[in-house]
Order: sequence, then structure tokens, then C-alpha cells
Amino acid sequence: QVQLQESGPGLVKPSETLSLTCSVSGGSISNYYWSWIRQPPGKGLEWIGYVHYNGNTNYNPSLKSRVTISLDTSKNQFSLKLSSVTAADTAMYYCARSQVVPAGIPYFDYWGQGTLVTVSS
Amino acid sequence: DIVMTQSPDSLAVSLGERATINCKSSRSVLYSSNEKNYLAWYQQKPGQPPKLLIDWSSTRESGVPDRFTGSGSGTDFTLTISTLQAEDVAVYFCQQYYSTPPTFGQGTKLEIK
Repeated sequence: QVQLQESGPGLVKPSETLSLTCSVSGGSISNYYWSWIRQPPGKGLEWIGYVHYNGNTNYNPSLKSRVTISLDTSKNQFSLKLSSVTAADTAMYYCARSQVVPAGIPYFDYWGQGTLVTVSS
Repeated sequence: DIVMTQSPDSLAVSLGERATINCKSSRSVLYSSNEKNYLAWYQQKPGQPPKLLIDWSSTRESGVPDRFTGSGSGTDFTLTISTLQAEDVAVYFCQQYYSTPPTFGQGTKLEIK
């Protein structure tokens, strides 16, 4: 059974960079796509982007200018960096394994428990 | 972006009764070449991450009870829980993966009456 666990700071200052890591256990990070998804308090879900084990990435156009998702196969981990954060980036951040259709669009079959990130000075 | 709209926003159903959640997409998510609907349903229980219940609009994931049924095509979809159990209390989301970026409905909160 694949398990994912997010880690990183729970508080980030405005204008700084949010950095999170997702550790994958119970299976290899190879041969899959790995996504980040966020959920502001009391609101719906927003896909941030994914990374493929070969290093290819795909980002939500609404966040693309601020997002970097990368992979460390040696540690079975992948990471999210979101720059120039504001209060609007306060959310629960989930990592998830993705099933990707030929057009490159994912849905999500395994999720981490999530980590709450608050943007505040 | 494809906008996914769920109805109702919240729903209270008696134990053992049927619950029906609707999801409407702003554009068809039916891919004509393979006749598949690119639509998934998730269940999110309080304090937990979402769990994939159904993909391809009607294919239950392994281990999902058969009281959960997905149906519909094109732009209109339904998640039906045939006989509501206490453990089904959750927020349910639909998601399209037909067009990038993938988008989710706003969620439907299901409670016991």
C-alpha cells in the first residue's frame, strides 16, 4: 500500500517561498506522476501541478509563474516550491499519486494526510 | 477552465435511505474516440484527505462498497449511495480530467438526518 507524507514549515511569511516535501513509502516513485493539490480553509480543491518520474512537469496555469515541483528518486521524495506567497496561499497542502490520461491530465488515487500552511507575518 | 458545479451544497439523508449528489460540467467531458467520461468522484471524511471512489464516471475503485454508484455522461453526472451508512458522512467532490487544468466541484456535504 502506497503511503505519502507531507512535511515542511507550517508558517511562511508573505513574499517568501513555501517549501514542502512529500515522502513516498510502500512503493517506488518511479513510473508514476506525483501531484500537489491544495485546499484553502472551508473551500474546494485546487490542483497545483505534477512531476513525472522522468522529470517532466505540468503546472496549473494560474500558479505556473510561481511553482516548481521536483523529484528526488534516491530519497523517494518529491517537493513543492511556491514563491512570493500571500495570505491567499494559506491552505492545506496535499501530495498525491496521479493517474494521468494520454492528454496529460491527472486524477489522484493515493493522497497524503495533508499539511496546513499559513501565510502570515 | 472547465467549471464543475455540484448540487446540492449539503444534503441530510436518513440511515438506510438513498443519497444522490449531482455534478455538472461546463463542457462535455466525454471523449468521443473512446466513449469514456473523464470524471472522478472522491470522498473526504472529517480530518482526512480525499479518497478516490470512482473513476471514468462509473468505475468503482477496489474496496469501495457497491452501494456507491456513479452514472451520467457528457456534462451531467450523479453519485448515488443506495443505502446510507453512518460511515458515509463526508464531503463528496467530483473532478474532471478531460481538460487541463483538472478541476473539482465545490463539494457536497452529506449528513445523517
